[in-house]
Amino acid sequence: AAGVIQSPRHLIKEKRETATLKCYPIPRHDTVYWYQQGPGQDPQFLISFYEKMQSDKGSIPDRFSAQQFSDYHSELNMSSLELGDSALYFCASSYRDSRYEQYFGPGTRLTVT
Amino acid sequence: AQKITQTQPGMFVQEKEAVTLDCTYDTSDQSYGLFWYKQPSSGEMIFLIYQGSYDEQNATEGRYSLNFQKARKSANLVISASQLGDSAMYFCAMREGALKKLIFGAGTRLAVHP
Repeated sequence: AAGVIQSPRHLIKEKRETATLKCYPIPRHDTVYWYQQGPGQDPQFLISFYEKMQSDKGSIPDRFSAQQFSDYHSELNMSSLELGDSALYFCASSYRDSRYEQYFGPGTRLTVT
Repeated sequence: AQKITQTQPGMFVQEKEAVTLDCTYDTSDQSYGLFWYKQPSSGEMIFLIYQGSYDEQNATEGRYSLNFQKARKSANLVISASQLGDSAMYFCAMREGALKKLIFGAGTRLAVHP
């Protein structure tokens, strides 16, 4: 079965640089979620989109922005990167049925040096 | 206040034995969902099992079952016949309402010994 695709899988950036993470949801899934998982921590919700509109927002820094495109893929744009942004970034997708199960992609490991 | 509490930072179990990972939650919503995810050392987040707040039966998926006690607000994961490949971090998570974010517990690291 098709899964959530994230690219790149690994990314190394320097402080103050920008980064763009991409997410391709499971076909037919209409909702995309972004989570950030710091070392040794549980995933923290950043932002979500339903049918290309922002549906919920968590503790996403103002330096970050995201959008969902007409083909339902989503991009997380991160600017003025800081050392503390080093983390595993997950994208998850779900379909609007009674269960709303969220399936996670493999994650993008971002290292800021 | 903690919405999801996993009180066991680490657990170990002998291969082929059953193990229960604890999870309690706090919500005032009537409609919510409870999830368990497995995160191996490679980092991916693998969906294991789901329990809806209105589901009367406990969820089961192969060797995984969810012991759902609504009045006690607990959603413990039971893994039967543990395998070495079950060694991983396990997260309990809750979704409140529809189209809402997942809130995760701190996780329980399970080690399966031969």
